[in-house]
Amino acid sequence: SYELTQPPSVSVSPGQTASMTCFGDKLEDKYASWYQQRPGQSPVLVIYKNNMRPSGIPERFSGSNSGNTATLTISGTQAMDEADYYCQAWDSSTVFFGGGTKLTVL
Amino acid sequence: EVQLVESGGGLVQPGGSLRLSCVASGFTLSSYWVTWVRQAPGKGLECVANINQDGTEKHYVDSVKGRFTISRDNAKNSLYLQMNSLRAEDTAVYYCARIVVLGATNRYLDYWGQGTLVTVSS
Repeated sequence: SYELTQPPSVSVSPGQTASMTCFGDKLEDKYASWYQQRPGQSPVLVIYKNNMRPSGIPERFSGSNSGNTATLTISGTQAMDEADYYCQAWDSSTVFFGGGTKLTVL
Repeated sequence: EVQLVESGGGLVQPGGSLRLSCVASGFTLSSYWVTWVRQAPGKGLECVANINQDGTEKHYVDSVKGRFTISRDNAKNSLYLQMNSLRAEDTAVYYCARIVVLGATNRYLDYWGQGTLVTVSS
């Protein structure tokens, strides 16, 4: 089993930068992905392969992965970015998710 | 347009069974690994099971081994999850999702269905 740890919550003011971390043993040896889930909706992929954005995802979303920590950064955070964010990695033929971070835009 | 549509959820008593289905459209299911991910009320995401392109490789989370079976019918562009001996802790929204494989450790879920709710209660 592979464990990914995320802080339960992060707060940010509109227009500021939000950073959310994801900790996993030797995570840099794997690839991190990130998903956004708004209340009552299905998860949406926002970052894959550590720092790649799928088509349709705004440029303000970016990612990095170094050492044991992957980071999702949202620059110029907007009210619509308020959601739960989950990191994900693949290990031993299985998908693993972090526990999720609730982003609040105050 | 890529779509995944789940069905088969509902209310079932503890110890009962349920079969979930996921129909894919807009792409050829046989080219992809696919997975079932669940989310208990107010909780995070958990991968329950995944299956490779031709169904010869299957993986399960420990908590469902021996109770759940993942399968697929590529001719029908469909994915299934047979759930037996259901427990209260299996109560969740179940999503099917497509897995993109870029390498041995580089896999992610690019499309998700809308989910189907399974409630296990007496």
